[in-house]
Amino acid sequence: DQQVKQNSPSLSVQEGRISILNCDYTNSMFDYFLWYKKYPAEGPTFLISISSIKDKNEDGRFTVFLNKSAKHLSLHIVPSQPGDSAVYFCAASEGASGTYKYIFGTGTRLKVLA
Amino acid sequence: DVKVTQSSRYLVKRTGEKVFLECVQDMDHENMFWYRQDPGLGLRLIYFSYDVKMKEKGDIPEGYSVSREKKERFSLILESASTNQTSMYLCASSPPPPRNTEAFFGQGTRLTVV
Repeated sequence: DQQVKQNSPSLSVQEGRISILNCDYTNSMFDYFLWYKKYPAEGPTFLISISSIKDKNEDGRFTVFLNKSAKHLSLHIVPSQPGDSAVYFCAASEGASGTYKYIFGTGTRLKVLA
Repeated sequence: DVKVTQSSRYLVKRTGEKVFLECVQDMDHENMFWYRQDPGLGLRLIYFSYDVKMKEKGDIPEGYSVSREKKERFSLILESASTNQTSMYLCASSPPPPRNTEAFFGQGTRLTVV
């Protein structure tokens, strides 16, 4: 059973506009959420994270929003740039409970059109 | 900077061969992970380890085993490679809870079993 879901396999956005990537989860014990970016033939690189005690975290052009009641998080990229074209994975973990593993979604391929 | 190094970028092996994928991290992290990435399936956890000689099964351990004899090294073993194990394999490491932080990934090993 997929505990972390990314229901949009792909997304195309014009350069300069906002990209919004969505992620849903089912396990209410998750307390830490992350977004990774992955280019082909490379390992994922960490982008931004958010703790369950917050509802927003911002880092430059990237903002992550967390809605715990809806078990939903989203990544906003503003403005989008062609170099942002990649596959984006959301992930979740239960750090406080002592569970060490990260559970990933299936990914969303973002294409930013110049 | 944290560095996670996987021994090979590309590997081609024959069906039935025993295959070793090696991963080394240089940040003294307690936790290490092996994932595989397949189109449409995202990153799926095969095994993880939270200490030397300790290991736990992830979501898809069948056909794999692991070894962690030293803190910095985590090996994934395919006992008898099969064509359905053709995939991108990703190793990662992270510090332990309760300090929530990101996992750091290696560059990946593209394994083809023929």
